[in-house]
Amino acid sequence: QKEVEQNSGPLSVPEGAIASLNCTYSDRVSQSFFWYRQYSGKSPELIMSIYSNGDKEDGRFTAQLNKASQYVSLLIRDSQPSDSATYLCAVNIDDYKLSFGAGTTVTVRA
Amino acid sequence: SQTIHQWPATLVQPVGSPLSLECTVEGTSNPNLYWYRQAAGRGLQLLFYSVGIGQISSEVPQNLSASRPQDRQFILSSKKLLLSDSGFYLCAWSDGPYYEQYFGPGTRLTVT
Repeated sequence: QKEVEQNSGPLSVPEGAIASLNCTYSDRVSQSFFWYRQYSGKSPELIMSIYSNGDKEDGRFTAQLNKASQYVSLLIRDSQPSDSATYLCAVNIDDYKLSFGAGTTVTVRA
Repeated sequence: SQTIHQWPATLVQPVGSPLSLECTVEGTSNPNLYWYRQAAGRGLQLLFYSVGIGQISSEVPQNLSASRPQDRQFILSSKKLLLSDSGFYLCAWSDGPYYEQYFGPGTRLTVT
């Protein structure tokens, strides 16, 4: 059983729309949750972190965490072509390691 | 601020040749260091991690090895490369209480 699962892509959204990315995890003791953005051919970049239930907003990005449902999501509002990338969900599985999802590729069409 | 370097950026090596990839981190002390591999179109696979000098944990049995000769230096090696070793090798560091990891620019390895 995969520890972190993300909704399958690719996800295509029109410019200006909201992109919604979902992630579920299996380890109930996980405390830290992250979203990374990876442009094609580049390394992953940390864009959001969330540690407690609820919403966390940073610019056009909103992360949502529900520990009871073991669910974390990322909303991208007013999507721009520069948001076209693969988004990786990551969850800590112990004091040192993160478990990464396979990623969801987002394409924002003009 | 912290900076992470990897080199080389790209590498083309024949099957059976040795490998040495280097990663260094600046601006932090005693970080946790990680080596990941990402095959084309695939997710991140954790290969090794280190919580201190000389301390290496291996996640996947293979023909690769890792060493940490200095606090902020992490080296990935192989004595004989296989075709299946091709991929994007990423070094990452972490020192925060919330387990976040930060990645270097990566090395793209092609084994021919």
